[in-house]
Parts: sequence; structure tokens; C-alpha cells
Amino acid sequence: GDSVTQTEGQVTVSESKSLIINCTYSATSIGYPNLFWYVRYPGEGLQLLLKVITAGQKGSSRGFEATYNKEATSFHLQKASVQESDSAVYYCALSASNTNKVVFGTGTRLQVLP
Amino acid sequence: EAAVTQSPRSKVAVTGGKVTLSCHQTNNHDYMYWYRQDTGHGLRLIHYSYVADSTEKGDIPDGYKASRPSQENFSLILELASLSQTAVYFCASSDWGGYNYAEQFFGPGTRLTVL
Repeated sequence: GDSVTQTEGQVTVSESKSLIINCTYSATSIGYPNLFWYVRYPGEGLQLLLKVITAGQKGSSRGFEATYNKEATSFHLQKASVQESDSAVYYCALSASNTNKVVFGTGTRLQVLP
Repeated sequence: EAAVTQSPRSKVAVTGGKVTLSCHQTNNHDYMYWYRQDTGHGLRLIHYSYVADSTEKGDIPDGYKASRPSQENFSLILELASLSQTAVYFCASSDWGGYNYAEQFFGPGTRLTVL
């Protein structure tokens, strides 16, 4: 089946340092999945951070970026300089076109130290 | 104001008891979803609905029922709660996006503990 893998359960970074959260996917039933990053701040629901629906393209939002790498089946999330307010849980996800079904990764908790 | 709300926000239930989790959305969305999240798993789809008075099974429907009495409300029912149903439950709503993905809007979650 289709799946999303996030290898880090928790990442701790000092404020103003760079960040990368890894995400790889397997889309055996979907040729070209749509890829997303969702974020969940404390006490809130998940919200869409960014999405990319075309292989090779980059999405960006709030200083975060992710590039859809079809060859490596990866969609890593990066930020050049994190802030304490970025502390949250980040979920990588995929879906097929023409469907509302989403497959989520296990989430990576980001803690930014002041 | 939050567009997807869930109640209760946390609950402790006894094994074998009945539990009802409620979700309300003000987004005017046709689609609503119930997910659960356990440690070590991503969100997994339990049930969803695309129209009032109709529900569909998701990937892990066993042990759960769902009810969609109106466009705004979607409930998840555990008739006989079990220890394995201890988890965080998320409700979400969306439009039908067609070829383009329709963003899902999530509630804050309900932490359910079954003892």
C-alpha cells in the first residue's frame, strides 16, 4: 500500500539554526501523488503548511520549503533559521489526484530552544 | 473562531462502555472525517462522510460507528469501548477537490483513555 515515512520522532534545534525534517514516501498505487506538510501547534488541530502536486516543484510557506523529488521519493521539509514559535508537530502526507484520501506520516515533534 | 470543534476534548471511559465523540464544523464543507492517532502511527482514517445521513468506512472502521445527522455534525460512536481504542481522535472537514487536492481542516483532537 501507499505509505509515508518520517524517521525522526523528535528534533531539537536551537533558535536561528537551520532545520531539516526527513520524509520519504511509497506510492505503489498512485503514479504521481500530491505531497503535503501539515503542522499541529499545541492545543490546535492540524493545518496545511504547504503542498506540491507536481514532481520537481518546490513549495514554500512561512519560511519553510519542501521539494518534490520523484527520483528519491522524498519530500524533506527545510527552514534556514527556525524560531521558537515553530515548535510544533510536523506531518508529511500524500494523496492521489481525484481523491480526498490522505495518507499521513507518524509526525515529527520539533522543539526549538531559545 | 475555530471552524471545526470537537467535544469532549478529553475523556476517560471504562472498558465495555459506550463513548460518543462529537464534531461540529462551520466551513459549509460536504466532507467530514474521523481519524485516530496512536504513538508510532500516522493519522488513520476510521470513517468519513460526503453527505448528511450517509457514512463510509475508512481504513480501520472495526469497533466504530459514525453518524452524520446534518452537514455540520459528525459523531463517532464506540459501542463497546476497548483498551485498544485509547488514542487521540481528530475530526476534519473539506470540500471535494476533484483533480486538485481539497485542504482538510482539523479540529483540536479528543484524547480518549479507556481503562
